[in-house]
Amino acid sequence: QVQLEQSGAELKRPGASVKVSCKASGYTFTDYDINWVRQATGQGLEWMGWMNPKSGETGYARNFQGRVTMTRDTSKTTAFMEVNSLRTTDTAVYFCARGRGDLLSWGQGTLVTVSS
Amino acid sequence: SYVLTQPPSVSVAPGQTARITCEGNNVGSKSVHWYQQRPGQAPVLIVYNDANRLSGIPDRFSGSNSGNTATLIISRVEDGDEADYYCQVWDSNSEQVVFGGGTKVTVL
Repeated sequence: QVQLEQSGAELKRPGASVKVSCKASGYTFTDYDINWVRQATGQGLEWMGWMNPKSGETGYARNFQGRVTMTRDTSKTTAFMEVNSLRTTDTAVYFCARGRGDLLSWGQGTLVTVSS
Repeated sequence: SYVLTQPPSVSVAPGQTARITCEGNNVGSKSVHWYQQRPGQAPVLIVYNDANRLSGIPDRFSGSNSGNTATLIISRVEDGDEADYYCQVWDSNSEQVVFGGGTKVTVL
């Protein structure tokens, strides 16, 4: 079955960077886009961007352009999402999700806490 | 940028019908997808392309989309339907995924 397994929780200082991983299994990794979505506590879903694992092409939400980088390692069927210059307002659960259009499969989420 | 607007909350008695709207400019020309999210869990896709239920989703859940409003209808509401619901589209103009703000469904 399709699974997206994300890396564990992170605690970061303001100004630091964080890199979250999303390991895919149960399907051909390069056949589906990987999206990243975050959710602050008590808030809604916020889309961050997408990546085509086959080509490496990316598209970022305007709010994150210049601060987020999405990459992949096809040999390890793993997608990565890095956020730079972290702020306390970046504290959230970060999800990876497979698809373009509808997002059928989701990772379990990674809590990133930004605090001094 | 494209905006989807949902009511923050909907309250419904067990056995009654809940209607969750998702308003956007000419949203009827786009494919709308609906997610259910329970506390502490990842969202789950329940309806895709306006009205198609995922396998295993009860037929109490149905979707429609026309004009400026898409709607998720939950018939014969049960306690287990209490959750947050999000609509979502792919905006081809901006090449962005857009989520509605979410609707919390409370079963009275």
